[in-house]
Amino acid sequence: AQSVTQLDSQVPVFEEAPVELRCNYSSSVSVYLFWYVQYPNQGLQLLLKYLSGSTLVKGINGFEAEFNKSQTSFHLRKPSVHISDTAEYFCAVALTGGGNKLTFGTGTQLKVEL
Amino acid sequence: DTGVSQDPRHKITKRGQNVTFRCDPISEHNRLYWYRQTLGQGPEFLTYFQNEAQLEKSRLLSDRFSAERPKGSFSTLEIQRTEQGDSAMYLCASSLLPGTGGHGDSYEQYFGPGTRLTVT
Repeated sequence: AQSVTQLDSQVPVFEEAPVELRCNYSSSVSVYLFWYVQYPNQGLQLLLKYLSGSTLVKGINGFEAEFNKSQTSFHLRKPSVHISDTAEYFCAVALTGGGNKLTFGTGTQLKVEL
Repeated sequence: DTGVSQDPRHKITKRGQNVTFRCDPISEHNRLYWYRQTLGQGPEFLTYFQNEAQLEKSRLLSDRFSAERPKGSFSTLEIQRTEQGDSAMYLCASSLLPGTGGHGDSYEQYFGPGTRLTVT
C-alpha cells in the first residue's frame, strides 16, 4: 500500500519570503503525484501534478515541485509567498493504472505573515 | 459548468439516525469519488464510480455506509445508524476517464465544497 508523509503540520513564513513544503511518499509501484490546496470553506483545488517526464513541474499561483525518485520526495516550493497563499496544502499520490484513487498526507498549514 | 456541488453543506443529526448526502459532478465527468476528511487529517478515499458502476467499495468504513450512482450522473452517500465517530467532512470529486477528452485534465479530480456531518 502507498502512503504519504508531510512532516510539517504548520509552516509560518513572512510575506515575500520563499517557502518549501515537504512531502515524502512510499510505494512499491510507480505513482502519480499531486499537490492540492484547500482554502477555508472551499473545496480542494489542484496546484500541480507529476505524471511522467520532466521532474520539475510548474503549477498555478507561482508554485512548483520537484519529483525526486531516489529520495521518494515531491517537495512544493514558491520563491515569494503572498498573504493570499495562507491555506492548507495536501500532497497526494495515486497508483498508475489504479483508478486514480488519491492517498493524501495529513496536510501542512501555511501561514503567511506580514 | 458550475463545478461539483454537494448537498447539504451541513448536516446535524442524532446518533442512530440515517443520513444521505448528494453529489452532482461536472456534467461530462465519468468518474466520481467519495472521500472523508476528519479534523487534522487529509481526505481518506471511500469509494468511486465509473459511470454507474461502483468499481471499488472495499474502503467504505463499514456496512453502514453505501453509495449509489444510478444513472451515471449524480451520486448519493448514505450512512445508516450514525455514530459520533462518523462526524467528519464528506467530500465528493469528479474527473474524466483518461482518453475521453472534454473539460479538464483526466488526471485532475475536481472537488466539491463538502458536506460537514455532526452526529450528536
